[in-house]
Amino acid sequence: GAGVSQTPSNKVTEKGKYVELRCDPISGHTALYWYRQSLGQGPEFLIYFQGTGAADDSGLPNDRFFAVRPEGSVSTLKIQRTERGDSAVYLCASSLSGTNNEQFFGPGTRLTVL
Amino acid sequence: SQQGEEDPQALSIQEGENATMNCSYKTSINNLQWYRQNSGRGLVHLILIRSNEREKHSGRLRVTLDTSKKSSSLLITASRAADTASYFCAYPINTNAGKSTFGDGTTLTVKP
Repeated sequence: GAGVSQTPSNKVTEKGKYVELRCDPISGHTALYWYRQSLGQGPEFLIYFQGTGAADDSGLPNDRFFAVRPEGSVSTLKIQRTERGDSAVYLCASSLSGTNNEQFFGPGTRLTVL
Repeated sequence: SQQGEEDPQALSIQEGENATMNCSYKTSINNLQWYRQNSGRGLVHLILIRSNEREKHSGRLRVTLDTSKKSSSLLITASRAADTASYFCAYPINTNAGKSTFGDGTTLTVKP
């Protein structure tokens, strides 16, 4: 079956602009995760959804970042007033449930803020 | 900041040799996972070991877990050039949480 997909694969934007990053999880996976990864570092947790609700959003760096998953499947990560420091690869993952299950990762979206 | 630490940060070996990577953590966990990443893009799940397991095998991979020392190791035997990648350990922050912490990884280079 299809894996986790993310669009776009690359996004270049200017400082101050708004961006949306999309994640399509594996069908039937109730848990969905967003991570951010900078060069040379491991993925940094942003937010975790169980179904439609954000079970843990403690990793979102500030209120410019917001994520939704309105129907419990596709999720969108939204970044307002982008800053150069937001440049990173944004990774999405899904799993059958939130605990004790392997996470399946998408290929990521490389965001560059000029 | 990440709560896990992996060592070494970088490892370079010849094809056919074994590679060992270590992961240390600070909290109580109910499982620990190892992932592989090529070229800074999507991660691939390798193996999950639960807190009541001490060792687990998958093909050329062997993972150990020592909860008393809060450490895990990943051994790749008979390495191949295609094993060149970054390897990360990951574990839930709280025993029942979906939130996972990743270490900063070990970059493995296998020379043909």
